[in-house]
Amino acid sequence: EVQLVESGGGLVQPGGSLRLSCAASGFTFSSYWMSWVRQAPGKGLEWVANIKQDGSEKYYVDSVKGRFTISRDNAKNSLYLQMNSLRAEDTAVYYCARYRSGGSSLDYWGQGTLVTVSS
Amino acid sequence: DIQMTQSPSTLSASVGDRVTITCRASQSISSWLAWYQQKPGKAPKLLIYKASSLESGVPSRFSGSGSGTEFTLTISSLQPDDFATYYCQHSWTFGQGTKVEIK
Repeated sequence: EVQLVESGGGLVQPGGSLRLSCAASGFTFSSYWMSWVRQAPGKGLEWVANIKQDGSEKYYVDSVKGRFTISRDNAKNSLYLQMNSLRAEDTAVYYCARYRSGGSSLDYWGQGTLVTVSS
Repeated sequence: DIQMTQSPSTLSASVGDRVTITCRASQSISSWLAWYQQKPGKAPKLLIYKASSLESGVPSRFSGSGSGTEFTLTISSLQPDDFATYYCQHSWTFGQGTKVEIK
């Protein structure tokens, strides 16, 4: 059974940092593109970043470029999101998701982890 | 960047109704469109990929159609479990969502 389990969320002050983790199981992690998607309270879905199977390609939404870094450790079946210089507008539930093989849709999602940026 | 526009934003319907949600792309995206269902406090669930392919395990009352710039998600007979918010997605862009409410 495919499982994605996020951790690392919490309350952080503006300007602070947080590292999210996503533990993957039930599939060959190293064979899939992976993504982070977020959802601000009461709002819609926003793609944040994605990363190629071997980590050689990474893409970010403009609003997080230079502040967030996506990475992965295929030996540990884990995906990460390092978030620096956090702002109030980064407050959201962050989901880890797997890209469907050969396509651009996201076929498995974690349960999400809440990041709150507030003083 | 390609923009995805869903309509309507909110839809009121009754159990058994046929429901259609539309998603328009600002330029042609061929058939590279997915549909998701999200319930409050839960992660989104993939329903349809490549515009019309039903994800495994998704009930057959859900169907997708379209290509180019206009796409639809149809629920042939709305069930109590279908009251949720639905999103379309192309690449890294999601539509703004359509909330399906009980009439």
